[in-house]
Amino acid sequence: DIQMTQSPSTLSASVGDRVTITCRASQSISNWLAWYQQKPEKAPKLLIYKASTLESGVPSRFSGSGSGTEFTLTISSLQPDDFATYYCQQYNSYSRTFGQGTKVEIK
Amino acid sequence: QVQLVESGGGLVKPGGSLRLSCAASGFTFSDYYMSWIRQAPGKGLEWVSYITSSGTTIYYADSVKGRFTISRDNAKNSLYLQMNSLRAEDTAVYYCARDRPLSRAFDYWGQGTLVTVSS
Repeated sequence: DIQMTQSPSTLSASVGDRVTITCRASQSISNWLAWYQQKPEKAPKLLIYKASTLESGVPSRFSGSGSGTEFTLTISSLQPDDFATYYCQQYNSYSRTFGQGTKVEIK
Repeated sequence: QVQLVESGGGLVKPGGSLRLSCAASGFTFSDYYMSWIRQAPGKGLEWVSYITSSGTTIYYADSVKGRFTISRDNAKNSLYLQMNSLRAEDTAVYYCARDRPLSRAFDYWGQGTLVTVSS
């Protein structure tokens, strides 16, 4: 099975900071990667799919990049609404796997 | 608008069974793959199972293989998860999610239903 490893697990940042979260796959997944944001007691929200395509309605301060085994989610200028937990997720023909999550906290 | 509403969660003893349902509306259900995803209290997301639009192809996570069964009724716009031989580690909020064609990302999620396995 493909394993997804996110780093860091927790990130402390201030409003206005540029934030980068990394996701590594245990084998190549081409660009079959999505990013989600989850707030407490809420269902996850899709931010980015196919590694770099912004979901409709998601602010442009969010961006994704990468292919193969290394991927990043970048928030260009952190806003108060962005403090949440972020997950990457891979797709292959027989499974989907999530990373363990990165919690973005207020510094 | 797209809506996914889960039901059927509750408290069950170890070894017991439970059947979750997900009622879909606002889109052509029979056109989409669907998945179940769970989240144990305070933990991350874990994909459980997916089913193709026609129901002919199904996959499971190793952690539930042989115990859980996913199914769908396209006439009723409904997705199901039959959970047998439940264990304490199956305690989680269970979400159904729509699997977007071509991107295979989960673009819509239900609100979740809590399953608690405890004696």
